[in-house]
Amino acid sequence: AQSVSQHNHHVILSEAASLELGCNYSYGGTVNLFWYVQYPGQHLQLLLKYFSGDPLVKGIKGFEAEFIKSKFSFNLRKPSVQWSDTAEYFCAVTGYGGATNKLIFGTGTLLAVQP
Amino acid sequence: DTEVTQTPKHLVMGMTNKKSLKCEQHMGHRAMYWYKQKAKKPPELMFVYSYEKLSINESVPSRFSPECPNSSLLNLHLHALQPEDSALYLCASSPGLQSSYEQYFGPGTRLTVT
Repeated sequence: AQSVSQHNHHVILSEAASLELGCNYSYGGTVNLFWYVQYPGQHLQLLLKYFSGDPLVKGIKGFEAEFIKSKFSFNLRKPSVQWSDTAEYFCAVTGYGGATNKLIFGTGTLLAVQP
Repeated sequence: DTEVTQTPKHLVMGMTNKKSLKCEQHMGHRAMYWYKQKAKKPPELMFVYSYEKLSINESVPSRFSPECPNSSLLNLHLHALQPEDSALYLCASSPGLQSSYEQYFGPGTRLTVT
């Protein structure tokens, strides 16, 4: 069965610290990978996505993620976090070429950035 | 307009009530989704509509009844709910069902069943 694991459930950082959130997936085929963010009181929004091509993907607000196929990983990074990055971050996967667009989410990582 | 709107924002209902949640998008998307999100958990897919037809039902109890009256609107009719159904209900849409399409999410309806 498809699944997504996010190892860090709760991360606390100081402003300007670097961020890396882990995401591993289990899927018997090629995948599409997403990172969504949910700011406090706001709706889920897409940070970045990977379908094919360059495994290093750049998203909004200075975030990037690297797809490492051999490790089944899609870790999210940001070199210097800001207080406004405080949010919950979800990694998600769909099966490549599928016709159902069924998003499987990880359990989420709650990031708190201290000023 | 890249917005998905949901009404109401909050809903409190008794176990014998009948209520409906509404979702609307004007992006011309042909696929729409209902998700359920419990506190401190990820969203879980409930239903998928494609071109106004039900495409996926993730074995959701019949006390939840979806409806897609047109390509812009998605409703979720609620009847005889249980307290454990209390959750944030999210609506999303995408251009189609291709797995590469991004889903756009609404702000959700926070439902409390008493």
